[in-house]
Amino acid sequence: SQTIHQWPATLVQPVGSPLSLECTVEGTSNPNLYWYRQAAGRGLQLLFYSVGIGQISSEVPQNLSASRPQDRQFILSSKKLLLSDSGFYLCAWSPSTEGLKYYEQYFGPGTRLTVT
Amino acid sequence: DQQVKQNSPSLSVQEGRISILNCDYTNSMFDYFLWYKKYPAEGPTFLISISSIKDKNEDGRFTVFLNKSAKHLSLHIVPSQPGDSAVYFCAASADYKLSFGAGTTVTVRA
Repeated sequence: SQTIHQWPATLVQPVGSPLSLECTVEGTSNPNLYWYRQAAGRGLQLLFYSVGIGQISSEVPQNLSASRPQDRQFILSSKKLLLSDSGFYLCAWSPSTEGLKYYEQYFGPGTRLTVT
Repeated sequence: DQQVKQNSPSLSVQEGRISILNCDYTNSMFDYFLWYKKYPAEGPTFLISISSIKDKNEDGRFTVFLNKSAKHLSLHIVPSQPGDSAVYFCAASADYKLSFGAGTTVTVRA
């Protein structure tokens, strides 16, 4: 079966510091990968998605970037955090083949980021 | 521009009764619709999906109805149980991406 891991679970960082959140998926090959942010009391906002190694699409212009150095690894980064970057960050994966319900995304446990 | 809307931020229902959650969308190109359940400080859990060419899909206590002409879908949970207390998100799929509603918080009363 497939599993998705995210770490760290919680993170408190000062304004202006760098950020690196990691997500890995097990039990599947060539998944589509996604980064979302959920602000307090709001829905999920898609930040980045990737259909393959080195292929990153950005949905929202912002202070963040994403990379996919390996097939099942997705990293969210920032060079200098802003207060507005605080939130709950979620990684998700979906099958990449149409016949395998590509539209169903499965989420990791999330990272709670607080920028102080 | 929010393409998926959940206009009821909260719903309270008695245990054993039916919970009905509603969702509206604006983009006619959405090909699948999904419902997710989320507990605090956890990632959303996939519940059920429906293709845009169907009008009903059922899985155990969960049934999703789609009214394409009205651009409206709903999730029915029967019977409601205490463990169903959570935030429920409606989502719609297009081009391998999901657009989410803001969520509805369901509270099941004993």
